[in-house]
Amino acid sequence: DAKTTQPNSMESNEEEPVHLPCNHSTISGTDYIHWYRQLPSQGPEYVIHGLTSNVNNRMASLAIAEDRKSSTLILHRATLRDAAVYYCIVGNFNKFYFGSGTKLNVKP
Amino acid sequence: SAVISQKPSRDICQRGTSLTIQCQVDSQVTMMFWYRQQPGQSLTLIATANQGSEATYESGFVIDKFPISRPNLTFSTLTVSNMSPEDSSIYLCSVEWDRGPYEQYFGPGTRLTVT
Repeated sequence: DAKTTQPNSMESNEEEPVHLPCNHSTISGTDYIHWYRQLPSQGPEYVIHGLTSNVNNRMASLAIAEDRKSSTLILHRATLRDAAVYYCIVGNFNKFYFGSGTKLNVKP
Repeated sequence: SAVISQKPSRDICQRGTSLTIQCQVDSQVTMMFWYRQQPGQSLTLIATANQGSEATYESGFVIDKFPISRPNLTFSTLTVSNMSPEDSSIYLCSVEWDRGPYEQYFGPGTRLTVT
């Protein structure tokens, strides 16, 4: 499975947009890009996934580079509840190999 | 979505003993997974459990240490055997939501401390 690289931590102000980057330069053509987040003391929860095109859902947007070697998770208006570790996972099967993730801190 | 519960939520165990962790899902699912999250670390996949077949273990994990059962489509157990302090971790189960592709739902985790 493709390895992912994410910044260790990021900080955002409440109600501002947040762009969380992920590099996955060894991604293969059939690999999906998944984003999960883990709130404190909870199991990870699904955020969004995509293959080639940009994706939007009620939680976030996923922007995928044209060469698919990187992607960006966009939280349009960060809230305090969005403070979590965000994991970018790349693979074409249901086995998830988590990277180190990005810890997002949201300031009021 | 699937609702997943785990028992126990936490436990403190003596070294050399074993603990069995239960994972219950509120709907039938084909694929279940077990993960370990060591303190301050990310999640590591231990094994994949399909109903009616032997669990498939990831590199670095063996059946003698982490035996898994999957007796039906809503339940699985993970046993941590002959525990040592290095086994102190959060153990999480997850299920693949069949609407897919490959969307997983995670349980709340079992926090294990080995003394």
